[in-house]
Amino acid sequence: DARVTQTPRDKVTEMGQEVTMRCQPILGHNTVFWYRQTMMQGLELLAYFRNRAPLDDSGMPKDRFSAEMPDATLATLKIQPSEPRDSAVYFCASGKRGTQNSPLHFGNGTRLTVT
Amino acid sequence: KQEVTQIPAALSVPEGENLVLNCSFTDSAIYNLQWFRQDPGKGLTSLLLIQSSQREQTSGRLNASLDKSSGRSTLYIAASQPGDSATYLCAVVSGGGADGLTFGKGTHLIIQP
Repeated sequence: DARVTQTPRDKVTEMGQEVTMRCQPILGHNTVFWYRQTMMQGLELLAYFRNRAPLDDSGMPKDRFSAEMPDATLATLKIQPSEPRDSAVYFCASGKRGTQNSPLHFGNGTRLTVT
Repeated sequence: KQEVTQIPAALSVPEGENLVLNCSFTDSAIYNLQWFRQDPGKGLTSLLLIQSSQREQTSGRLNASLDKSSGRSTLYIAASQPGDSATYLCAVVSGGGADGLTFGKGTHLIIQP
């Protein structure tokens, strides 16, 4: 069964440190999303890519977050410097031909704790 | 800005009951509506996808309906089982060419054995 793989599974870091989260989308999927989930806000869209090109990153704090797809098998989300309010579960999801016609497949997330 | 609301926030029922989860959205200009399941500590699993031109979709004991004009969807679960216990999330893809899903905050469902 093809699946979206996210690493690390858990990350605990101190405020001010750089955090990098990685995602391997399902082979053949051309759309990749980054979501953040918290109890208060639920799931929020941070950024997404189609065919490796960034289409929307309006959900990200631009001064500290950056998202890239160096190649079709890897998407990264970086936070520098990290802050306690960034503590959340970060999900990557991939899909075919956008979301209009096909469901998204989610990874199991990276649980980030910033102390 | 699209907003998605799910009612109830939590639900606990005995095994075997049929139940309905509700989802509403503020902007009816959507491409599709999707229902997901999330187990504790896990990602989301897609259950059903309803295109804006469709009225319902069925998969096994699950049936999802869509009334786009009124901004509502329901997820019907027949003959509930303890294994159905999870958080169920509704999400819409809005018009305007964007692909991003807007999610509700989910209904936390517990099926009592």
